[in-house]
Amino acid sequence: EAGVAQSPRYKIIEKRQSVAFWCNPISGHATLYWYQQILGQGPKLLIQFQNNGVVDDSQLPKDRFSAERLKGVDSTLKIQPAKLEDSAVYLCASSLVRSSGRATDTQYFGPGTRLTVL
Amino acid sequence: QKEVEQNSGPLSVPEGAIASLNCTYSDRGSQSFFWYRQYSGKSPELIMSIYSNGDKEDGRFTAQLNKASQYVSLLIRDSQPSDSATYLCAVRSSGNQFYFGTGTSLTVIP
Repeated sequence: EAGVAQSPRYKIIEKRQSVAFWCNPISGHATLYWYQQILGQGPKLLIQFQNNGVVDDSQLPKDRFSAERLKGVDSTLKIQPAKLEDSAVYLCASSLVRSSGRATDTQYFGPGTRLTVL
Repeated sequence: QKEVEQNSGPLSVPEGAIASLNCTYSDRGSQSFFWYRQYSGKSPELIMSIYSNGDKEDGRFTAQLNKASQYVSLLIRDSQPSDSATYLCAVRSSGNQFYFGTGTSLTVIP
């Protein structure tokens, strides 16, 4: 079974530029998460989708970050414009959904995209 | 106050010893608790989940939960050099959000 795919793996941009990350979850996983992990810290949940709907985006800095999951499969996370403090690894994770409609607790993480903002 | 707090370490133990990792959380209504392992430069990997007070054992790993004290711990018995990693405590809050701690770095010395 293929794991969570992310691209690009690395990205270096200047501040104020825009950047987009792509994630393809494990086949059949209806729930998709985007996390930001700053060096030395734990992952911080940015947004959670179930199918193509947003479940939680309370920690997403909406003035510069946006995410979409139009067909309930792939997702993109965009930063526009980037700031120095956005330098981090952006992790995508996915999980199954139970028949009750609630996501299972086991999240499978992709390899991440390491973003450096200069 | 952070949602999930861990001692950042580093924690060093000799090979074969027991490593003890601790975590506290702020949301008393949290119901789901997790330990992830993250090797340097890699993504987190779930190693244990626990939902009820008490102990849960899986091989060399034992998770302990005390909801009254809002405390979760992970014991690693017979520690091996391959256990050297950062261990992240995570909690699903009463609002169904996931929060991770900053992680504890563990080094097992051969």
